[in-house]
Amino acid sequence: AQSVAQPEDQVNVAEGNPLTVKCTYSVSGNPYLFWYVQYPNRGLQFLLKYITGDNLVKGSYGFEAEFNKSQTSFHLKKPSALVSDSALYFCAVRGDQTGANNLFFGTGTRLTVIP
Amino acid sequence: KAGVTQTPRYLIKTRGQQVTLSCSPISGHRSVSWYQQTPGQGLQFLFEYFSETQRNKGNFPGRFSGRQFSNSRSEMNVSTLELGDSALYLCASSLGGSGENWNIQYFGAGTRLSVL
Repeated sequence: AQSVAQPEDQVNVAEGNPLTVKCTYSVSGNPYLFWYVQYPNRGLQFLLKYITGDNLVKGSYGFEAEFNKSQTSFHLKKPSALVSDSALYFCAVRGDQTGANNLFFGTGTRLTVIP
Repeated sequence: KAGVTQTPRYLIKTRGQQVTLSCSPISGHRSVSWYQQTPGQGLQFLFEYFSETQRNKGNFPGRFSGRQFSNSRSEMNVSTLELGDSALYLCASSLGGSGENWNIQYFGAGTRLSVL
């Protein structure tokens, strides 16, 4: 079975400061990990993914994520937050059945960037 | 390239009715997945279709069904609606198959269903 945990419902950060949104995962086999962002009344937008390779993954809008196998974590980061980054962020892991293409999502973290 | 298109954007139905939601994937994408988003349960996977075949299914009752057409467009049907079916239904498309980015899912804006 696979699952994702986002331990923080809400993260507040001042504009210009670095931000981190936390995610831990549980999956059998190699993890396929994703981050998505959701703005009000919109669908989810893909930010970045980790399949294999470098533990630091760079994505859209200046976001990056650090994969840590020993801690089973995949935290989302950005060096300098913008007010426009305020949104709902979801971490997801792909199902571990062979050929599966479904995603299991965390409960989401609401990021608020304070001007 | 046009994104994933879902119609309608909003629906209001009453208990016991049935509803059909539509999803047009990104051109060239062969996989379509459906998700339900509610404040209480979050985002939950309903099913995935690839080349007109259901490839994977989540843990939802049989009232929830879907299909995919030869042009990869997909529909989702919910019969005998219940109040608890009120949710945002999201469709996502991906290339499917193989390749570096085959499993990146791109989401539509969703259909918000309200059951009264």
